[in-house]
Amino acid sequence: LAKTTQPISMDSYEGQEVNITCSHNNIATNDYITWYQQFPSQGPRFIIQGYKTKVTNEVASLFIPADRKSSTLSLPRVSLSDTAVYYCLVGDKNTGNQFYFGTGTSLTVIP
Amino acid sequence: KAGVTQTPRYLIKTRGQQVTLSCSPISGHRSVSWYQQTPGQGLQFLFEYFSETQRNKGNFPGRFSGRQFSNSRSEMNVSTLELGDSALYLCASSSTSGSPWRPDTQYFGPGTRLTVL
Repeated sequence: LAKTTQPISMDSYEGQEVNITCSHNNIATNDYITWYQQFPSQGPRFIIQGYKTKVTNEVASLFIPADRKSSTLSLPRVSLSDTAVYYCLVGDKNTGNQFYFGTGTSLTVIP
Repeated sequence: KAGVTQTPRYLIKTRGQQVTLSCSPISGHRSVSWYQQTPGQGLQFLFEYFSETQRNKGNFPGRFSGRQFSNSRSEMNVSTLELGDSALYLCASSSTSGSPWRPDTQYFGPGTRLTVL
């Protein structure tokens, strides 16, 4: 399985940009990188998915360098409601890797 | 579209009993996955069903089993419950209409909170 490593926790003040990095040194050629967000007592929710370079949607941006051994989720101007656990997944439908969430990064936004 | 629904939302059982949890996926979704979440172990994958067949499986003992019906609804069963089975059990569905090399978005239900006494 392609293993991912993320920081266990991060703190940020409201209004700041937050960058959460995920390491995936043995990512396979076909693997996509997907990020989910989870609030307490709820199921995870899809944020963004990408394969290379940069992907942006209305919620976040995902930066993937050329070697694809890491990726960075960028949350612009966070608010208190962004306090959650963020998971990075590396997976391919053919391998079943997309089901392995790891421990995630617990982000706390401070007023 | 209605989201993923799970029943029951809360359940209390005693050691040695068995339990069945139910999941109804989003209409049109054919893949259903099950996860166990505990504070100590995080979110762990149990198994995935697609078109009534188990397609992927995590590292859980045989006490954990599941099935999927022709309407894509799924059930998960845990037999001979242990204290350590106390957890939030989450179900997720996806459409599997995407490309083979690109995982589909998983849509999660609210979960079933199981307490084993």
